[in-house]
Amino acid sequence: GAVVSQHPSRVICKSGTSVKIECRSLDFQATTMFWYRQFPKQSLMLMATSNEGSKATYEQGVEKDKFLINHASLTLSTLTVTSAHPEDSSFYICSATPLGGGGATDTQYFGPGTRLTVL
Amino acid sequence: AQSVTQLDSHVSVSEGTPVLLRCNYSSSYSPSLFWYVQHPNKGLQLLLKYTSAATLVKGINGFEAEFKKSETSFHLTKPSAHMSDAAEYFCVVSDLSNTGKLIFGQGTTLQVKP
Repeated sequence: GAVVSQHPSRVICKSGTSVKIECRSLDFQATTMFWYRQFPKQSLMLMATSNEGSKATYEQGVEKDKFLINHASLTLSTLTVTSAHPEDSSFYICSATPLGGGGATDTQYFGPGTRLTVL
Repeated sequence: AQSVTQLDSHVSVSEGTPVLLRCNYSSSYSPSLFWYVQHPNKGLQLLLKYTSAATLVKGINGFEAEFKKSETSFHLTKPSAHMSDAAEYFCVVSDLSNTGKLIFGQGTTLQVKP
């Protein structure tokens, strides 16, 4: 149980285009979803916290107009990288916390990640 | 502020020998601590978590970790390494704000030699 999927797993796009990444909780409903970015050989950096039906909370330094997050249902959150540039190339990972959770002790379940390459 | 420090960026062991991955934390309160593993180009998998119950926490795949408040440590161990254990390991602490936010250590790469 507690499976999180991401789609696509890998995407290559041209500079200036927009890319949408989906994060789905397959066998549970998620109160909260988180979006992370990971550079090669580095740790995960939290980009934003997404709660169903409300606006996402972005971490300091993350451009909300560039990284659009929508959490339209309890099983789906999307991250759209708008007007992508080569420096946006990275590994994007989402995680989800089951309904009723979201506290400090609750486990986050991670998706397999999406490798974005911007040419 | 909460933080975690993984003391080794890279650990190399031989197959069948013990594994020790070190993690120290900083927290004003009793923290919730996690160990996650990440295989190449994959998402993260939870190995185990500590949430103020038993100080010795057993996880999946033979891993365990001991919470030592006096030493502010949460080291990850396994008695006998397997080739499939080669991966990146992250020590993680929950943010005090209770929003569910996680604070990650820098990671330790575990290499297992045949």
